[in-house]
Amino acid sequence: DAGITQSPRHKVTETGTPVTLRCHQTENHRYMYWYRQDPGHGLRLIHYSYGVKDTDKGEVSDGYSVSRSKTEDFLLTLESATSSQTSVYFCAISGTGVNYGYTFGSGTRLTVV
Amino acid sequence: TQLLEQSPQFLSIQEGENLTVYCNSSSVFSSLQWYRQEPGEGPVLLVTVVTGGEVKKLKRLTFQFGDARKDSSLHITAAQPGDTGLYLCAGAKNNNDMRFGAGTRLTVKP
Repeated sequence: DAGITQSPRHKVTETGTPVTLRCHQTENHRYMYWYRQDPGHGLRLIHYSYGVKDTDKGEVSDGYSVSRSKTEDFLLTLESATSSQTSVYFCAISGTGVNYGYTFGSGTRLTVV
Repeated sequence: TQLLEQSPQFLSIQEGENLTVYCNSSSVFSSLQWYRQEPGEGPVLLVTVVTGGEVKKLKRLTFQFGDARKDSSLHITAAQPGDTGLYLCAGAKNNNDMRFGAGTRLTVKP
């Protein structure tokens, strides 16, 4: 199995608090992605990284920030959590970019109350 | 509006039946991928198709990429309960821009 882990697996937080989700890979892959999955919307890209300290926005980036200080770690921060950010968050990795498929983590279920 | 429309949204069949699910778009993609996702887990890549008209087979699963690279289909022969899951298609528009459909939820009853 590809080495990609997400933490925590589940989290409940209060509106207005900052939250950080972690994605850790042991594959030394260049590309890392954060998606959210909501019923009826499929997976939507939040942010992605194409190298250490190289990140860019995705389709639904408002209210989120990311950091990648090491190849193996990609952090997603909700600066001030809102109920609309209740979702399942997936991290994905790819060694060669979009055309060769992604390996996904098991997800983090985040509930904002 | 989804860039990729998958149909049907839900499909419930008996073991042994054949089925086809569809992934359609008005956009052209450089490649298209199919994933299967089980409850509580992340999607798992099944196949990537790159060339228009390309057909790939994976045991009882047959994947086809449309000639114009805008659509794709997944056909399962003699479905089994182990095929149950959420099937997602994803199209790559350029590097790092992958768009997912909302999925087809398949249930295969024994």
